[in-house]
Amino acid sequence: DGGITQSPKYLFRKEGQNVTLSCEQNLNHDAMYWYRQDPGQGLRLIYYSQIVNDFQKGDIAEGYSVSREKKESFPLTVTSAQKNPTAFYLCASSMGGAGADTQYFGPGTRLTVL
Amino acid sequence: QKEVEQNSGPLSVPEGAIASLNCTYSDRGSQSFFWYRQYSGKSPELIMSIYSNGDKEDGRFTAQLNKASQYVSLLIRDSQPSDSATYLCAVRAGGGNKLTFGTGTQLKVEL
Repeated sequence: DGGITQSPKYLFRKEGQNVTLSCEQNLNHDAMYWYRQDPGQGLRLIYYSQIVNDFQKGDIAEGYSVSREKKESFPLTVTSAQKNPTAFYLCASSMGGAGADTQYFGPGTRLTVL
Repeated sequence: QKEVEQNSGPLSVPEGAIASLNCTYSDRGSQSFFWYRQYSGKSPELIMSIYSNGDKEDGRFTAQLNKASQYVSLLIRDSQPSDSATYLCAVRAGGGNKLTFGTGTQLKVEL
């Protein structure tokens, strides 16, 4: 079964804690992305990676960190520096490269700060 | 000015009618356009992509693109209650892989 998996589905964090969200894909896609979705605000890009061992900041990278050590994995860490982390986090992947490039989404992780 | 704008709705249509969803964008260099459907509490799923001016049809869905006027629309024919969802418009500027999303239009198909 090809696809994108995210875990956990729900995550609760105490203030001051770092948490790591998992994203794995077996589509052999080069590019991976992390978005955050808040009610009424659409999707906002946090970080993206077009190739292993390389990644770029998106529009709202402050308080987040990522790594891309393997092609199939792109974990996101929400640090204590992120002041309002409660949101729905979506991972996506695409084949990459120039031109028409479609992004496909995983099922998401809903993070709640207690 | 928002880069990708959509009417938040809700847009209510009766079952069997045509639903028309609109999206405007500000970057004239935009090259690729996508419509995603998102059910409440779920992740977005791709419905259609369009890259050239004109219409593109896929089953009950038709995407329309007008680059001169900077808008893209999605028509859903024979709307069904299962079409009730939020529809997200996404736009890619020329070069790179970053997408900019609109805030989505909520569609309600009523029996």
